[in-house]
Amino acid sequence: EDKVVQSPLSLVVHEGDTVTLNCSYEVTNFRSLLWYKQEKKAPTFLFMLTSSGIEKKSGRLSSILDKKELFSILNITATQTGDSAVYLCAVPPGAGSYQLTFGKGTKLSVIP
Amino acid sequence: EPEVTQTPSHQVTQMGQEVILRCVPISNHLYFYWYRQILGQKVEFLVSFYNNEISEKSEIFDDQFSVERPDGSNFTLKIRSTKLEDSAMYFCASGNSANQPQHFGDGTRLSIL
Repeated sequence: EDKVVQSPLSLVVHEGDTVTLNCSYEVTNFRSLLWYKQEKKAPTFLFMLTSSGIEKKSGRLSSILDKKELFSILNITATQTGDSAVYLCAVPPGAGSYQLTFGKGTKLSVIP
Repeated sequence: EPEVTQTPSHQVTQMGQEVILRCVPISNHLYFYWYRQILGQKVEFLVSFYNNEISEKSEIFDDQFSVERPDGSNFTLKIRSTKLEDSAMYFCASGNSANQPQHFGDGTRLSIL
């Protein structure tokens, strides 16, 4: 039973496009949701979200959480080829647990 | 910027052999984790470690697996008798508290023949 579901699973866009990646989750005692970027190797931390409606922003990337509807989105504006990667969403699964449960990821390909 | 380092980057081993994967977490971090990612699949949690003991482990982390922090800097994952299905990318991660983001190393690709 998937507790973290990401969509779409893959996406191909042209440089300059804006993309929105989705992550829905189902956990008891929600504490946080994390976004990572995985290129060839290590997942690289992007954002950690704990409160609804507060946008986190870093350059062209931004993310927001909706705790009522149990989802988060990751936006990338003015995409570049360097944004090509798998974007992973992860949540700690429940009370007292700090392991991360990952979604399958969204594979983003940005073509020139 | 401090980072988690893992060695080796690639390990090829015969089935039934023991392997030790090594990690040096970020120096002021206290929480340590191992995850694995089988090719084409999700990243899966194996084990977490805090205060010199295992704090959580998954169903994957059975008796053939063990972890150790032999000194103040290294964190190791040992697989005692490897099986073909242990072939995967193994990631080490660390965090400075349980509620803070986990930072991942580049991984060790383990290939069992």
